[in-house]
Amino acid sequence: QVQLVQSGTEVKEPGVSVKVSCKASGNTFTNYHIHWVRQAPGQGLEWMGVMYGYGQTIYAQTFQGRVTITRDSSTDTVYMEVNSLRSDDTAVYYCTKETPRAYYFDPWGQGTLVTVSS
Amino acid sequence: QSALTQPPSASGSPGQSITISCTGTSSDIGRFNYVSWYQQQPGKAPKLIIYEVTRRPSGVPDRFSGSKSDNTAALTVSGLQAEDEADYYCKSVAGSSFVFGTGTRVTVL
Repeated sequence: QVQLVQSGTEVKEPGVSVKVSCKASGNTFTNYHIHWVRQAPGQGLEWMGVMYGYGQTIYAQTFQGRVTITRDSSTDTVYMEVNSLRSDDTAVYYCTKETPRAYYFDPWGQGTLVTVSS
Repeated sequence: QSALTQPPSASGSPGQSITISCTGTSSDIGRFNYVSWYQQQPGKAPKLIIYEVTRRPSGVPDRFSGSKSDNTAALTVSGLQAEDEADYYCKSVAGSSFVFGTGTRVTVL
């Protein structure tokens, strides 16, 4: 059973970047897709984008150009970077797994809180 | 892609049934049979409870059931229990992307 472990809490100033990691244990990332979902305080879930097992990335229109998803196959780690941080990027960021052609997300990482504040 | 529409809240007494609707469009819910539902307890990551409209992962009680008609999906919780108090989100495929519902807070009275 795959488990996803994310990096720890981040506090950043507006305008800089943050890079959150998601490491898998129990299987290799090339066998499935890793999605990123964020949740602002007191708000709902928002799909950000996906790194497919074969390497292609797709981003939600809202995040196109400001979010980059990459991976390091040697360590089974996927990264999600947000540039030009704003205060409304303050949120918990989750990574989650999709088995190819399953179209559902399971399991989820524990979440990474990113706070953007001057 | 706009969020799917869910009622902000739902409530019921223990043992009762509640149904949460999730309304989309002909480009998402109406087009694909890939609606899933997630339960989120306070401070926790979401947990999958329904996938492919009606299917339950192993370990999820059969009190949870899903359905779909045209552009609207629904989650029914039968025999409501105290531990069902949580936020619930629907999600659908929308072409090459995904879209979540606005979320429903379920309160057990």
